[in-house]
Amino acid sequence: ETGVTQSPTHLIKTRGQQVTLRCSSQSGHNTVSWYQQALGQGPQFIFQYYREEENGRGNFPPRFSGLQFPNYSSELNVNALELDDSALYLCASRAANSPLHFGNGTRLTVT
Amino acid sequence: AQRVTQPEKLLSVFKGAPVELKCNYSYSGSPELFWYVQYSRQRLQLLLRHISRESIKGFTADLNKGETSFHLKKPFAQEEDSAMYYCALAKSYNTDKLIFGTGTRLQVFP
Repeated sequence: ETGVTQSPTHLIKTRGQQVTLRCSSQSGHNTVSWYQQALGQGPQFIFQYYREEENGRGNFPPRFSGLQFPNYSSELNVNALELDDSALYLCASRAANSPLHFGNGTRLTVT
Repeated sequence: AQRVTQPEKLLSVFKGAPVELKCNYSYSGSPELFWYVQYSRQRLQLLLRHISRESIKGFTADLNKGETSFHLKKPFAQEEDSAMYYCALAKSYNTDKLIFGTGTRLQVFP
């Protein structure tokens, strides 16, 4: 068990709505990243947080935002949902000089 | 542009046969290369990375900078190797910005 827990496991939202996805990492995992995995594709990097600051971003619009908290939990927020946002969202975290540990993901469906 | 290509969506072999999962990359620099595996109903996990130069579960992968490839190999496949395999690239060590390929599903038949 890697200790990276995501909630909820499944979520259905309507186009235009906002969504918050949550991730709880192991103690000591100062770095957290979020990935989007569309059906049949590999995961795509959204952004990375280190010590509560955004520390790198992929090719995603500003309506994708995040937060990292001192208790090793984090959030991914998506505003103005679009149909193409339907995907599996993966949280991954790690301690310094350690490999990434992924969570099981949240499957978001936008209708 | 940085890209990872896994040309095969599906690879089917019989138990005991050799396996080679192909991965080619496009990157102007010296990237770090990884193989991740996802077994049925489990989370994505690191299988191996080129800087470690180790063998995990009998799998090895050699970085060929001339051919920009990082193929995953195993001499004798086992049924428990059936899984989804993703090749990934990072610009440098200690970054979480991984660029993944689209994955190859390996099926090992008894």
